[in-house]
This record gives sequence, C-alpha cells and structure tokens, in this order.
Amino acid sequence: NAGVTQTPKFQVLKTGQSMTLQCAQDMNHNSMYWYRQDPGMGLRLIYYSASEGTTDKGEVPNGYNVSRLNKREFSLRLESAAPSQTSVYFCASSEHGRVRTDTQYFGPGTRLTVL
Amino acid sequence: AQSVTQPDIHITVSEGASLELRCNYSYGATPYLFWYVQSPGQGLQLLLKYFSGDTLVQGIKGFEAEFKRSQSSFNLRKPSVHWSDAAEYFCAVGASNTGKLIFGQGTTLQVKP
Repeated sequence: NAGVTQTPKFQVLKTGQSMTLQCAQDMNHNSMYWYRQDPGMGLRLIYYSASEGTTDKGEVPNGYNVSRLNKREFSLRLESAAPSQTSVYFCASSEHGRVRTDTQYFGPGTRLTVL
Repeated sequence: AQSVTQPDIHITVSEGASLELRCNYSYGATPYLFWYVQSPGQGLQLLLKYFSGDTLVQGIKGFEAEFKRSQSSFNLRKPSVHWSDAAEYFCAVGASNTGKLIFGQGTTLQVKP
C-alpha cells in the first residue's frame, strides 16, 4: 500500500496563475482532507470530504476549490494564486468519516511558493 | 470554542534525557485527543490517541501521554530521548462528529548530542 500520495512535491507559481494539487489514497477510506501548514500556526483545514460526492469548507477555504473525483482522489485547486497561499499543503484520509475517533493518515505534502 | 494550545514552540533536550511536551485543550464534551509527529520534510504520523478508559496511553517509538481532565491537558512524555526523535510534534482534538481535527501550533524538538 502506498497510503496517501500527493503530487507535485514542489511547485513555484507566479501570482495569478492557477494549479491543481492532486491527492490519492489506496486504503479505501471514506473521508479525505486538505490542510495547509504555516509556521507557528499548526495545520489548518481548508476543505474536507466526509464521503464520496460530498465536500465541505474547513477553517480557511477562501481562494481554494476542491473536487472529490471518486473515492480514491481528492484534488485542491487554486484558481488565481496569491503570495498568501505560499504554504505546505497536506492531504489526509480517514476510514469512516464523521467520526471523532478516526485516525487521519497524511501524505508527504506539497511545498508551494507563490511569487 | 474548541482549541488546542501547545505552550512551548521550541524545546531542546540532551540525548538520553527525559521529555515532556505540553498540550492543553478546550472542548465542551469528552475530548478525543491525538499526538502526531512530523519528521523534517515528511507528513504527519500518529504517535498515540486517547478516547476513553485508562488515562495513560502508550504509543509508538516509546512515547506515552497522560490525559488529565481536571487540568484539560494531554501531555506527551518519553523517558529517554534519542537523536531520531528530533521533529515537530502536534497535539490535536477530534471535533464534533465530523471527523475533523483541530491542531495545536506544534512544538519543535531539538535533541543535543
């Protein structure tokens, strides 16, 4: 099992450009999550998908869109990148969804720089 | 409001010394608590979790944590730190019935030889 995979690992964008971060999991998990990690702020939830076909906003959704393509894949799109979106982005998945006891499994992250 | 606070941003300990990382939470109902570790350039890995029962929880890599409801704390401990423990550590609480996690700010652990 590869677990949670993310592409790309690194990306540099210019302000105003768009891009999509890809995430896939092979654990047959129901729920998937996108976080951003900034120094001194821990991880903040951008969007999550509790099950295939559903998506919900997290703590910091502005400037992002998501697509739950199927049970395995959950993509994050930046339509018009801004320097404030420079961050490390993590995708995670969990088995059940909507369960407080679920363990989340994280991908290796994408380091994004917006110039 | 639900929140998690890790008071120590950065901690340095000598190899072989004991370690305690602090975590305080604010949550109205019974908290479900997690500790994750992030090695440099890596994703997060679960160290341990507490849901109910025995308030002293054992995890991987020799870590343990103690839940103290009266102090709203869930501190992480290790009796003897190894150089490979140098990493960033995150405390988190499971929020409501959404499966979402609320993370603390993280504590960076440096291990001196």
